Amino acid sequence: AQTVTQSQPEMSVQEAETVTLSCTYDTSESDYYLFWYKQPPSRQMILVIRQEAYKQQNATENRFSVNFQKAAKSFSLKISDSQLGDAAMYFCALSSISSGSARQLTFGSGTQLTVLP
Amino acid sequence: GAVVSQHPSWVICKSGTSVKIECRSLDFQATTMFWYRQFPKQSLMLMATSNEGSKATYEQGVEKDKFLINHASLTLSTLTVTSAHPEDSSFYICSAPPLYEQYFGPGTRLTVT
Repeated sequence: AQTVTQSQPEMSVQEAETVTLSCTYDTSESDYYLFWYKQPPSRQMILVIRQEAYKQQNATENRFSVNFQKAAKSFSLKISDSQLGDAAMYFCALSSISSGSARQLTFGSGTQLTVLP
Repeated sequence: GAVVSQHPSWVICKSGTSVKIECRSLDFQATTMFWYRQFPKQSLMLMATSNEGSKATYEQGVEKDKFLINHASLTLSTLTVTSAHPEDSSFYICSAPPLYEQYFGPGTRLTVT
């Protein structure tokens, strides 16, 4: 069984500052992907960033970057230069790969991020 | 990124009636789609995996006779909530993976009165 744990139910950050959201996971699979999804008040799930487990290099997407520590099974998200539009619920998620295609996502419980003006 | 649509976005129905929710992948084909349920301020809970051309796979505790899933084509999956009751009121979200990442529909808010 796969598990994803987000230990920070709520976080806040000042606009233009940097914040890091934590995530740990457990899986027995050797081939998997990790994701961060954002869910704003509209409730539309938006893919923020993804990391292939076989890649050592940490993924980066503009102001969003991850710190992937495979041995520690840790996958944190860093948001730089925080903007008001970053305020949302953030979910860490894990998907194993089977026969070359994605399997279902296992989600963490989420971290509600507030951005203070 | 890839686009997934979901219809309707909000539906109100009376107890005992059935409601159908559609999930479409607009710019890619999906042999597999996923259906989730989400309660307020909670995470997404996987209900079932929809497989084109075969039966859906339901998660433990999900009533397959109540939540009927049909993957009619490579771009369409439907979830039918049969004999709906107030406890079925929730936010239902579908997703589809073009490859390794999943893209989500905007969700359907179901209210059963």
